[in-house]
Amino acid sequence: GENVEQHPSTLSVQEGDSAVIKCTYSDSASNYFPWYKQELGKGPQLIIDIRSNVGEKKDQRIAVTLNKTAKHFSLHITETQPEDSAVYFCAASIEYGGATNKLIFGTGTLLAVQP
Amino acid sequence: DAGVIQSPRHEVTEMGQEVTLRCKPISGHDYLFWYRQTMMRGLELLIYFNNNVPIDDSGMPEDRFSAKMPNASFSTLKIQPSEPRDSAVYFCASRPTEGTEAFFGQGTRLTVV
Repeated sequence: GENVEQHPSTLSVQEGDSAVIKCTYSDSASNYFPWYKQELGKGPQLIIDIRSNVGEKKDQRIAVTLNKTAKHFSLHITETQPEDSAVYFCAASIEYGGATNKLIFGTGTLLAVQP
Repeated sequence: DAGVIQSPRHEVTEMGQEVTLRCKPISGHDYLFWYRQTMMRGLELLIYFNNNVPIDDSGMPEDRFSAKMPNASFSTLKIQPSEPRDSAVYFCASRPTEGTEAFFGQGTRLTVV
């Protein structure tokens, strides 16, 4: 089955700097890669996703890249702000017909943005 | 919609006791997922249902764990008997048939002493 590895487990940056979180996956059939943000005391929430037919996607300060050959995907946050502090999870899944089966998550990255 | 609702938010129980966690998915969502979150293993998928039918329970760690979905608006995850290593945050999530985003509840923090 699918296995998703995520690094680093913790990341501390200064406000305004960039943050990068990296993931690898094992199942070449996976074609849908979402990123979830979990704030303290809450459940994870989708912030951005990417499909295997594109290599990069951007939404304001957040961008995701995908290297399908190497089975790597990354989350990039620019101009970090204190409210970006949270746990970030990557995930992999197989999408078909506009829906996915089960999401397999990485182990999470605790991002701390220092003011 | 109020989102996915889980209860209780916190549960402290003694080893050997039965624990039941509850979930109400978002109305109209046909898929329901149970996840367990720990520091060491992150978010692990335990089981998921489609139209109230269990589809994949390969993540359920032991026979002590069981899950049911008697109707479209309610699911339970039961641990009997509970052990200290079951201490974790348990999340329920749901999504519609046509869709990719999973909507998570706020979780149940379980502590077994």
